[in-house]
Amino acid sequence: AQSVSQHNHHVILSEAASLELGCNYSYGGTVNLFWYVQYPGQHLQLLLKYFSGDPLVKGIKGFEAEFIKSKFSFNLRKPSVQWSDTAEYFCAVNRPDNNNDMRFGAGTRLTVKP
Amino acid sequence: EPEVTQTPSHQVTQMGQEVILRCVPISNHLYFYWYRQILGQKVEFLVSFYNNEISEKSEIFDDQFSVERPDGSNFTLKIRSTKLEDSAMYFCASRAGLAGYNEQFFGPGTRLTVL
Repeated sequence: AQSVSQHNHHVILSEAASLELGCNYSYGGTVNLFWYVQYPGQHLQLLLKYFSGDPLVKGIKGFEAEFIKSKFSFNLRKPSVQWSDTAEYFCAVNRPDNNNDMRFGAGTRLTVKP
Repeated sequence: EPEVTQTPSHQVTQMGQEVILRCVPISNHLYFYWYRQILGQKVEFLVSFYNNEISEKSEIFDDQFSVERPDGSNFTLKIRSTKLEDSAMYFCASRAGLAGYNEQFFGPGTRLTVL
């Protein structure tokens, strides 16, 4: 079945560690890719998005993601995490050629220890 | 900056009761969506709406659910007879629909608790 897969369910890091969260999708055709963050008790916030152009996308709060079309991947990275990055991270894929519906991955919970 | 708003922020209801969740999409947006997130689980697509009709719906969106755009600003999700398993966070989203611009903007969500 077509899907969005996030490989890590829960990631625990110490402050200043580097972060990489995996995201793979299985849809063919044109896709738009997103990473959302959900802080405890809050709603979804857009971290970054990829529509076209440079496959390395920079978002807010020092996050970046790289779209690798051949691998159907859009991994999220941050060189040095902070305690305030503790949150749930969702990868999402939007398909312009399929009514623009959006599908989310299961999410990765990031816990950053001070 | 324009944003999607949702009311109420928290709705508590008894099982079997009808609830209506309200959303005000960004004005001039043309596409509207509802998603839900059961506590601790992923965000799930429910339904998309365009030109006053449902464009697509998921298997979750059964006959107990309906959506409506009663006027030029509101977009509502109605659950006819709530079940315990309907307890979740419900997010509304809207999209401009301009060619080449497909970002959906999400509202803050309504937490529905069914007792």
